[in-house]
Amino acid sequence: EDQVTQSPEALRLQEGESSSLNCSYTVSGLRGLFWYRQDPGKGPEFLFTLYSAGEEKEKERLKATLTKKESFLHITAPKPEDSATYLCASLLVTGNQFYFGTGTSLTVIP
Amino acid sequence: DVKVTQSSRYLVKRTGEKVFLECVQDMDHENMFWYRQDPGLGLRLIYFSYDVKMKEKGDIPEGYSVSREKKERFSLILESASTNQTSMYLCASSLSAGGSYEQYFGPGTRLTVT
Repeated sequence: EDQVTQSPEALRLQEGESSSLNCSYTVSGLRGLFWYRQDPGKGPEFLFTLYSAGEEKEKERLKATLTKKESFLHITAPKPEDSATYLCASLLVTGNQFYFGTGTSLTVIP
Repeated sequence: DVKVTQSSRYLVKRTGEKVFLECVQDMDHENMFWYRQDPGLGLRLIYFSYDVKMKEKGDIPEGYSVSREKKERFSLILESASTNQTSMYLCASSLSAGGSYEQYFGPGTRLTVT
């Protein structure tokens, strides 16, 4: 069964303490792997798309990478405003349906 | 700037009522989606539409129907609301082709059924 799994479920970091969030996928025929940020009570906000293994994308303190089995969202020197839930999703070449993980809730403590 | 809007941010309905949730996008996207999001369960797909008047069931379509009469508008209908449909409802849209497939989400509707 096609599946997307995120770990850890929750992560608490001190401000400035770098870390990585993991998204592993078992889907066959990946068209794209997507990362979103979601603040409480709001809709997810698009961050990155990765299409092929080895690809990397960066935005401010965030960098997303992709291998054949998993994706990482690296957070460098995080700030309290980076606190949010981070979601990943896969899209297959065979259809239009996205498969979401359950997210990692990140808290950055000042 | 891309924009997906939903008709209500908060909604309170009674059990048995018919409920309409509307979503409008201004990006000329072919695909539109309705999800519900519950703690610990993540986003679950209810229905999606890849063209006007076309629809496909997602993972949890029971108790819901949808309507897409115009490309920019996608409606979710709860035929007879029940308390287990209390949830956050999220609408999204995306392109089918052109190399850019990411979904854009609306702000969500928090529905409470009493």
